[in-house]
Amino acid sequence: ELKVEQNPLFLSMQEGKNYTIYCNYSTTSDRLYWYRQDPGKSLESLFVLLSNGAVKQEGRLMASLDTKARLSTLHITAAVHDLSATYFCAGVAGGTSYGKLTFGQGTILTVHP
Amino acid sequence: DVKVTQSSRYLVKRTGEKVFLECVQDMDHENMFWYRQDPGLGLRLIYFSYDVKMKEKGDIPEGYSVSREKKERFSLILESASTNQTSMYLCASRLTGGISGELFFGEGSRLTVL
Repeated sequence: ELKVEQNPLFLSMQEGKNYTIYCNYSTTSDRLYWYRQDPGKSLESLFVLLSNGAVKQEGRLMASLDTKARLSTLHITAAVHDLSATYFCAGVAGGTSYGKLTFGQGTILTVHP
Repeated sequence: DVKVTQSSRYLVKRTGEKVFLECVQDMDHENMFWYRQDPGLGLRLIYFSYDVKMKEKGDIPEGYSVSREKKERFSLILESASTNQTSMYLCASRLTGGISGELFFGEGSRLTVL
């Protein structure tokens, strides 16, 4: 059974600083998803990482996947208030495009001046 | 754009009541999912459906059932609501055979059981 763990669960950052959210998973998952959730809103897809070594960037966010270490990271560069949200990673047991997604606990990010 | 619509954003029910949560997607996706979201626990899969009239249990199916009579609609049923089913319920859909396999989520239904 795939287990997905994120850390930290709470992250308070100053604007302009850099930080990384870590996502560890327990069994083979050759694909990894990152979602963002704003308060009271649904989940919005940020990144889909489909292979070992995959790196994707969008604005101040960069996600990467190391399948050997069973680790994905979401790096935040020069944080701004608009990035305040909850971030979830999710893996798929067996790494298929049709398997069940298992989510981490979520990381609540607060960016303050 | 994919649109996943959950019929009720907020519901308040009493213990023992039967509760229906409806989800409709407009992109002809085969797969549909029901998750519940609780603080500190992330999203946990209740049930999913690969296609019409097909359903499979997720990780926490106890106390829930589902119905998928039409491709676009996936219903979650609480036969006899209990207070520990107070939660946010999220519906999602996905295209089978897509490369990414990502899920598209609805806005969520926040259920309070008194």
